[in-house]
Amino acid sequence: AQSVAQPEDQVNVAEGNPLTVKCTYSVSGNPYLFWYVQYPNRGLQFLLKYITGDNLVKGSYGFEAEFNKSQTSFHLKKPSALVSDSALYFCAVRALSGGYNKLIFGAGTRLAVHP
Amino acid sequence: DTAVSQTPKYLVTQMGNDKSIKCEQNLGHDTMYWYKQDSKKFLKIMFSYNNKELIINETVPNRFSPKSPDKAHLNLHINSLELGDSAVYFCASSQPGPSYEQYFGPGTRLTVT
Repeated sequence: AQSVAQPEDQVNVAEGNPLTVKCTYSVSGNPYLFWYVQYPNRGLQFLLKYITGDNLVKGSYGFEAEFNKSQTSFHLKKPSALVSDSALYFCAVRALSGGYNKLIFGAGTRLAVHP
Repeated sequence: DTAVSQTPKYLVTQMGNDKSIKCEQNLGHDTMYWYKQDSKKFLKIMFSYNNKELIINETVPNRFSPKSPDKAHLNLHINSLELGDSAVYFCASSQPGPSYEQYFGPGTRLTVT
């Protein structure tokens, strides 16, 4: 079965420090991986995706993610955190349902950036 | 120029009632989705339509009936509302295919009392 795990419910980081939000996945076949961010009382916003090619993917708002096939991970990173990065982050993997594509989301990780 | 819009934003109703949520996208996408986000923020797909045709139904109770009058609109009708239906419902759209990201609406917070 295809699944996504986000092992941390919450990540706390000081403003200006690097941040990492972890994600591991389990898929059959090639993985298609996504990160989304959800601000309070808002819908999800797409940050970045890995489909193929370079293992380091760059996305919106200075975020990047590193795809690691051997560790089946797709961790989200940012070199210098901002207070405004505080939000709920979701990792997702493409899965098939009856031959059609759907996304399976992780449980989410709350990022808290402290001044 | 909102990409994916939903109405209403908030919906408070009593058990047993019937209610509808509407979704519209102006991105020209062929595929639309309904998701349910529970109180623990867990997000799960409910339905997906491609060009007005239902392609994914994730064992949702048949009290939930999606309808797609055209590929820019996907509505969700819920009959005989139950307390457990309280959640935030998100509409999303994308191009078909595994590599395309989905664009989400702002959500509809449904509270059943």
